[in-house]
Amino acid sequence: DAGVTQSPTHLIKTRGQQVTLRCSPKSGHDTVSWYQQALGQGPQFIFQYYEEEERQRGNFPDRFSGHQFPNYSSELNVNALLLGDSALYLCASSLGTGMLYFGPGTRLTVT
Amino acid sequence: SQQGEEDPQALSIQEGENATMNCSYKTSINNLQWYRQNSGRGLVHLILIRSNEREKHSGRLRVTLDTSKKSSSLLITASRAADTASYFCATVFFSGNTPLVFGKGTRLSVIA
Repeated sequence: DAGVTQSPTHLIKTRGQQVTLRCSPKSGHDTVSWYQQALGQGPQFIFQYYEEEERQRGNFPDRFSGHQFPNYSSELNVNALLLGDSALYLCASSLGTGMLYFGPGTRLTVT
Repeated sequence: SQQGEEDPQALSIQEGENATMNCSYKTSINNLQWYRQNSGRGLVHLILIRSNEREKHSGRLRVTLDTSKKSSSLLITASRAADTASYFCATVFFSGNTPLVFGKGTRLSVIA
């Protein structure tokens, strides 16, 4: 049984560009949450998807958007990238409000 | 803003010693969870303690919760070099679906 998978592992983008990160939840999970973790900091909640809708959102600008597909996989999109968007982006899946299982993350570097 | 604050920020101990990390939070919680992260990769759930519990054990891990002081501690006994990682506390404000709010973590180094 595969756990949470994320792609790509690493990504380098230029300021102003757009990026899409992908997440496949653990088998049987229907809820996906996204977190941003800057270097030396704890993860910060971006948003959560359930039944293909954004259910909750943290304090992130509209440049951050997402999507959940019928198979429960999810994408995180970031537009107009800033240097400060450089971080580890973590996806976590759960069954409803159950325990979170985290993926290995995508390391995004904005130059 | 982050809810939990771990203390110390960094901890270095010898293999076999015990490691204690503390977490303080600001508002009432439903539960508090501890996570481990190796080398900037994904987080692994270690243990969850509910607001009506005072202590929980899991293998070499012991977690305490003092809701009157809004604090929790994680004790790792007989530490091993493989325990080297960052440890985060995360709080859930209410029952139901609220997102985890993480602290900045404690970086533990266990020297063989």
